[in-house]
Amino acid sequence: GAVVSQHPSRVICKSGTSVKIECRSLDFQATTMFWYRQFPKQSLMLMATSNEGSKATYEQGVEKDKFLINHASLTLSTLTVTSAHPEDSSFYICSARGGGAGYTFGSGTRLTVV
Amino acid sequence: QKEVEQNSGPLSVPEGAIASLNCTYSDQGSQSFFWYRQYSGKSPELIMFIYSNGDKEDGRFTAQLNKASQYVSLLIRDSQPSDSATYLCAVTVTFMNTGFQKLVFGTGTRLLVSP
Repeated sequence: GAVVSQHPSRVICKSGTSVKIECRSLDFQATTMFWYRQFPKQSLMLMATSNEGSKATYEQGVEKDKFLINHASLTLSTLTVTSAHPEDSSFYICSARGGGAGYTFGSGTRLTVV
Repeated sequence: QKEVEQNSGPLSVPEGAIASLNCTYSDQGSQSFFWYRQYSGKSPELIMFIYSNGDKEDGRFTAQLNKASQYVSLLIRDSQPSDSATYLCAVTVTFMNTGFQKLVFGTGTRLLVSP
């Protein structure tokens, strides 16, 4: 079946630094990539949607200059959390759609900003 | 009004019983409906999806959709302790101007199956 590889699974960074999270579709072409954030005991909140080769569409309240999304190819999308602060600590999950694969989720990245 | 609503629970059932999970959605144009299971600290995993009104069965799971009532449910028969998790309802929402779809999640229902 369709597989999305997400890395890293866990990252701890210092406040003020930037962190890049990567999602790759391994056996299909991801025409659309969705990025979600999940705080403890809450549901997945959609942050932004990106189509290959286009600028990402951000949900209301999500800072596009802070959460940089790149979807340069049909198999790779990245989310960069710039100038991370403790309140950005969360579980970040990508989901790829394409090639009849439906919505395939990555395994998630636990970000802790100290 | 939230786009997708679920009772947060916890819903507690004994082993072997039927667990019934419910979800309502606000977008009348929604076409696709998904149930995901999420264990603590893990990514959601797809249980099943449904597009048409009525029931869809897959093993111990049955999804039910009623578009007129904007209601979708998941029944888990012969519940097992390993079914204890948070169950997320997700619905596709379409942007009218572009036709683009996104997947919106409910807050999830925590299910506890006791041995």
